[in-house]
Parts: sequence; C-alpha cells; structure tokens
Amino acid sequence: GESVGLHLPTLSVQEGDNSIINCAYSNSASDYFIWYKQESGKGPQFIIDIRSNMDKRQGQRVTVLLNKTVKHLSLQIAATQPGDSAVYFCAEGRTTDSWGKLQFGAGTQVVVTP
Amino acid sequence: ETGVTQSPTHLIKTRGQQVTLRCSSQSGHNTVSWYQQALGQGPQFIFQYYREEENGRGNFPPRFSGLQFPNYSSELNVNALELDDSALYLCASSPRPQGHEQYFGPGTRLTVT
Repeated sequence: GESVGLHLPTLSVQEGDNSIINCAYSNSASDYFIWYKQESGKGPQFIIDIRSNMDKRQGQRVTVLLNKTVKHLSLQIAATQPGDSAVYFCAEGRTTDSWGKLQFGAGTQVVVTP
Repeated sequence: ETGVTQSPTHLIKTRGQQVTLRCSSQSGHNTVSWYQQALGQGPQFIFQYYREEENGRGNFPPRFSGLQFPNYSSELNVNALELDDSALYLCASSPRPQGHEQYFGPGTRLTVT
C-alpha cells in the first residue's frame, strides 16, 4: 500500500553544520505534511508543517521543502546543535479526512558530533 | 497551558491480561488520538476520540478500545494482551478532529511478558 518512508536511517552531522533529512511519500492524496522530533524517552514534538499548496516553509532554524513532482519532502536544520540529536519523523495526512489520522514514516536518527 | 500527560509511565503485564492507559489532553483541546510505536518504528494510528465517541480507527483489532470523558481525557484499553503489544503508546491531543496539529504526550511504555 502507499506509505511514507525515509531515505536514510541515520544521519551524522558535525555541530554547526546544516542537516538535511529526506522523506519520500507515495500517497498522492495527502495534502499536508509534518515533521516531528522525538528525543529518547519522549513523545514526538511538532517541528513544522507544510500544506501541499506550498513548496517551502521556514521556521526557527528549520526549513521544510516539498516537491510534489517527485513526492519528496525534506527538513533542513541550520547550524545543527547537540540538542538537535533525536529521531526525526515525517508524517502525512489529508485535510479531506473527517479525522486527523497521521501516517508516519520509519524515522531518521540524527547524531550531532562535536 | 498544560501539555498532554499520560499515565502510567511504564507498565509490565503478562500475556492474556488486560491494561488501561490514561491520557489528559492539552488545555483547550477536544480531540484525542492514540498511537502505538514499536521499538525503532514510527507511530501507528490506533483511533481517535471526539465528543466521547470513536471518530476514526486504524488497522487494529477490536481488543483495542477506548473511551473519552466529558473533560476530554481519554483511556486506551487493550484486552487479551499479546507479546507484540509491547510498545510505546502515545496519546496526542488536538483542538479539532480534522486538525493535523497533534501534540503528543510522553507515552506509556508497555511491556508484555
């Protein structure tokens, strides 16, 4: 069936560098996408979202890019810090659903090295 | 504003037993969704509760059931526990059922032996 998936299971980044986390989706009916950060022992924390009518959205130190042509989503983290070490999930949903079910990918472990 | 809280933090049960997990939604949120997260995987949607009724369900058997109370808090009940039910159970609250702004609690770690 259609699913959300990630290209890289683990991403090692040097402190201060920029991180790019990628996500592929295959459900063409999905029209919103969310990035979550999950630290060890905690629940997922909302980072940023984007609707399918947008290509780019920026937050504090983060940017999400959406390429609907190739069904690809990415999260860019600027000046990566040790506190950014976590598992990052992309999730997709449909605003046409009467209930907000989110479908998550498997996640990418980001490890920030000094 | 208080965030989403869950109890207990950890729980160990034996196969065949029943378990109840609890969730208090974020202030102002009337919708609660439950997710199961197996080790090393992304969360999987179980069901959503809105106005004290199940408002949508994922691919989980009927032995997974829930409740929502007038104060919007919620319970997840799992009967006839199986070893594969061992997971982190996450509760997420949102201000409306169609809302994708879901805010997660810390989860309950369930271990079935």
